[in-house]
Amino acid sequence: NAGVTQTPKFRVLKTGQSMTLLCAQDMNHEYMYWYRQDPGMGLRLIHYSVGEGTTAKGEVPDGYNVSRLKKQNFLLGLESAAPSQTSVYFCASSYLAGAEAFFGQGTRLTVV
Amino acid sequence: SQQGEEDPQALSIQEGENATMNCSYKTSINNLQWYRQNSGRGLVHLILIRSNEREKHSGRLRVTLDTSKKSSSLLITASRAADTASYFCATAARGVSSGSARQLTFGSGTQLTVLP
Repeated sequence: NAGVTQTPKFRVLKTGQSMTLLCAQDMNHEYMYWYRQDPGMGLRLIHYSVGEGTTAKGEVPDGYNVSRLKKQNFLLGLESAAPSQTSVYFCASSYLAGAEAFFGQGTRLTVV
Repeated sequence: SQQGEEDPQALSIQEGENATMNCSYKTSINNLQWYRQNSGRGLVHLILIRSNEREKHSGRLRVTLDTSKKSSSLLITASRAADTASYFCATAARGVSSGSARQLTFGSGTQLTVLP
């Protein structure tokens, strides 16, 4: 039982490049979330999903897109990376809205 | 915007001492949760307290909630070096319309250092 798995763990991008971060959970959770964590800012919600085929914007959605084609997977895309997107990205899932969230180990992304 | 704000931002204590961290929030909540994050790792859920509860215990953890003051505290008793980590409070809002996720809003965290 792996819980929440994020790939990749580290990535360096050049400005303007694109990439996709993958999040997979094996707990059959309906709700999935993408957060970014910056020093002194805590975690900020980028996008979330309340079930397969659904997505919604969070607090800081600009520059990101997401897809939830399968219940167990939640993808975060950066179409044209910018240095301001340098951050640590965390995926999380929960079985109910507002319930205990289970987090992945994070993806450290640097955009140069 | 941050819903929860932790205080202090950093706390350094000796092993065996108690550590107290506080969290203040702004809007009505359904529940409040505390998470722990070791350096370079993901967040791990510690404890959840509902809005109609005032106090909750789990092992060496004690959480209190005062909804009239919109604040919570996390007490770690008899701290150990292994408790060194960042601690975050997170709130789940009350009154969110059906069909939308009552997503968690996190504070900026307290960095706890327990010296051996």
